[in-house]
Amino acid sequence: QSVLTQPPSVSAAPGQKVTISCSGSSSNIENNYVSWYQQLPGSAPKLLIFQNNKRPSGIPDRFSGSKSGTSATLSITGLQTGDEADYYCGTWDSSLSEGVFGGGTKLTVL
Amino acid sequence: EVQLVESGGGLVQPGGSLRLSCAGSGFTFSDHWMHWVRQAPGKGLVWVSRISRDGSDTNYAGSVRGRFTISRDNAKNTLYLQMNSLTAEDTAVYYCARLRDGGSLDHWGQGVLVTVSS
Repeated sequence: QSVLTQPPSVSAAPGQKVTISCSGSSSNIENNYVSWYQQLPGSAPKLLIFQNNKRPSGIPDRFSGSKSGTSATLSITGLQTGDEADYYCGTWDSSLSEGVFGGGTKLTVL
Repeated sequence: EVQLVESGGGLVQPGGSLRLSCAGSGFTFSDHWMHWVRQAPGKGLVWVSRISRDGSDTNYAGSVRGRFTISRDNAKNTLYLQMNSLTAEDTAVYYCARLRDGGSLDHWGQGVLVTVSS
């Protein structure tokens, strides 16, 4: 059981928008930065969003992040078939003194 | 170009030990905290451990505390994970990752597979 809760799967058609939620608590999401990672099949994870809503260079602005209280959200607009991947939220848990990830969300672009 | 290359994985019997290495290049290794993250076959990411820039501060997931030891050699630009008393539940791909300001892991290695089986 992951400390952070994500939906196991989401799906949408090409060109549409999808959101992925990440729910935590005051010891993790509420008081620490949230990151989002994309893992394509057979590949290592890749940083998509850092400090809740910032994109590393090279990440298109179709990807955006937000945080409110104990929850965070990843939004992807203009879906492409190449976006099919597993997406993970991650942060630090100050009570556990451990890093924590969500269980991952599999995105299917129909 | 930032590169992280893990090595040292393989098949080990239950109760055995293994040491993973992660060689960093293309950046000032000693400027960054470093992390280990693992992923069991078909499962999600699980944080394992982290170490401070000079190696003086470390943290571990509860599932590995007391069995795994993280360390680093900044002169060799290398991160290590010593894994003892291995069980089948430790079977996973192990990734090393670099921490950037703000708490995110901005570069990851390709991963190394550890299989614990008799």
